[in-house]
Amino acid sequence: DAGVTQSPTHLIKTRGQQVTLRCSPKSGHDTVSWYQQALGQGPQFIFQYYEEEERQRGNFPDRFSGHQFPNYSSELNVNALLLGDSALYLCASSRLAGVEDTQYFGPGTRLTVL
Amino acid sequence: AQKVTQAQTEISVVEKEDVTLDCVYETRDTTYYLFWYKQPPSGELVFLIRRNSFDEQNEISGRYSWNFQKSTSSFNFTITASQVVDSAVYFCALSDFPAGTYKYIFGTGTRLKVLA
Repeated sequence: DAGVTQSPTHLIKTRGQQVTLRCSPKSGHDTVSWYQQALGQGPQFIFQYYEEEERQRGNFPDRFSGHQFPNYSSELNVNALLLGDSALYLCASSRLAGVEDTQYFGPGTRLTVL
Repeated sequence: AQKVTQAQTEISVVEKEDVTLDCVYETRDTTYYLFWYKQPPSGELVFLIRRNSFDEQNEISGRYSWNFQKSTSSFNFTITASQVVDSAVYFCALSDFPAGTYKYIFGTGTRLKVLA
C-alpha cells in the first residue's frame, strides 16, 4: 500500500519564477492538504482540497494556488517566487474531509529560491 | 485563537535514558484533537498518535507513552529507554472542530538527540 508521494524531491528556482509541486495521496484517501515548513519551524497550513475544490485556506497570498484532479492527486503552484518561499513543502492526505481523520504526510519537496 | 507551544527547542540524552517532550495547547473548543508526529532527517512527518479531547486516558505503545491532562492543557510524550533511532524532531499538533476547520496547527518542534 503506497503512502503519500510527492515530486520532485528537490527544486531550485530563481526569484520571480513559477513552480509546480505534485502530490499523490495515500490509497483510499480523497482529501489533500498542503503545508509549508520553513527551516526550524513547524509546518504551516496553506490550503486543503476536497472534491476538486479548495475547502479551506491558511494565511498565504494568492501567489499560492492549487488544484485537485479527479484521481485525488493535487498540485501546488507558486507564482512570482520570493526568497522567503524557500522551504519544505509537505503534502498530507486523509480519508475523509473531516477533522476526525488523521492526515498522513509525504516526504516533502524542498524548494530553494535563489 | 489556537496555539501549540513546545518550549523545549532541543534535548540531548544518553541512550537508555527516559525523556519527556512537553506540549501545551490553547483552544476555545470543547471538541478537539491532539497529535504527535516524528520528523527524521529525511523530512517526512511520521504519525505517532491521535487523541480526542474526550479521552483523557494515558496511552502506552511499546517504549512510547502519552500523558493527556485537560486541566493543564498539556499532552506530553515520554520515550522510555531511548535509542539512537529515536533521534528526530518531534511535533505536537492541534486540530479544532468548529465547522469547516480542518487544518492542523503545529508547534515549533523539539529536536531530540540520543547519544550512544
